[in-house]
Amino acid sequence: DADVTQTPRNRITKTGKRIMLECSQTKGHDRMYWYRQDPGLGLRLIYYSFDVKDINKGEISDGYSVSRQAQAKFSLSLESAIPNQTALYFCATSDPSGRANSGELFFGEGSRLTVL
Amino acid sequence: GNSVTQMEGPVTLSEEAFLTINCTYTATGYPSLFWYVQYPGEGLQLLLKATKADDKGSNKGFEATYRKETTSFHLEKGSVQVSDSAVYFCALSGNPGNTGKLIFGQGTTLQVKP
Repeated sequence: DADVTQTPRNRITKTGKRIMLECSQTKGHDRMYWYRQDPGLGLRLIYYSFDVKDINKGEISDGYSVSRQAQAKFSLSLESAIPNQTALYFCATSDPSGRANSGELFFGEGSRLTVL
Repeated sequence: GNSVTQMEGPVTLSEEAFLTINCTYTATGYPSLFWYVQYPGEGLQLLLKATKADDKGSNKGFEATYRKETTSFHLEKGSVQVSDSAVYFCALSGNPGNTGKLIFGQGTTLQVKP
C-alpha cells in the first residue's frame, strides 16, 4: 500500500460544483502539503500544514481551502470549481527531523481534476 | 524571490546516449537543491539532492553537482535507458529550517527510444 494515498484519483465535474480531494498518510509525518501541477508550470504550492492546528497559504491559495482533520489526513476543497482549476493535484508529506533534515517530500500518486 | 529554471523539453534520446538536463536557480542564502522524477501515472519521487556548494548528489547512475558560482544544478547520466523515460523536476528549498516548501522548475520530459 502507498504511504501517501489520494482520493479520488480522477474526477470530472462541472463549473460551480464543490469538490473535495482527500489525502491520508501512514508515514507519521507532521507536515503535509497540497501542490498543483500544470503543464509547463511545474508544481505550485497551494496550502501546507505543519501540524493539526497549523494551516498556511501557499503561492496559489485563492479559490481553495483545506482541512487538517488529523495528523494523517489533509483535505483540499474547491468551494466552487472553475475550468482553470483543471489540473493534477498532489499531496505530499515531509519530516524535518528525519534524513538529516533533508527537506525531502513524499508524494501521493496524484488526483486528476477536470472542471467542465 | 527564489526561482528555478529548467531547459525546455521534450528531450528525446536513443538508448545509451548521454543525458544533460540544465537547471539554474535564483535564491538568497544557501538553498538545498533537488532533482525529482515523475514516472508515467505516478507521483514525484526524490532522485538526488545536494545541500551545500560543490556537493554532488548521485543515484541510479544520475549525478548533479551544486555549483554556486554558476547557480546551477545540471542533471547528467552517462548512458540512458528506456526505463529512464519520465519527467524530471529541479527544485530548491531556500528555508533555513528546511520546511519542505520546495520551489519547482517547470519540468523536463525525457523520452528514451530503444
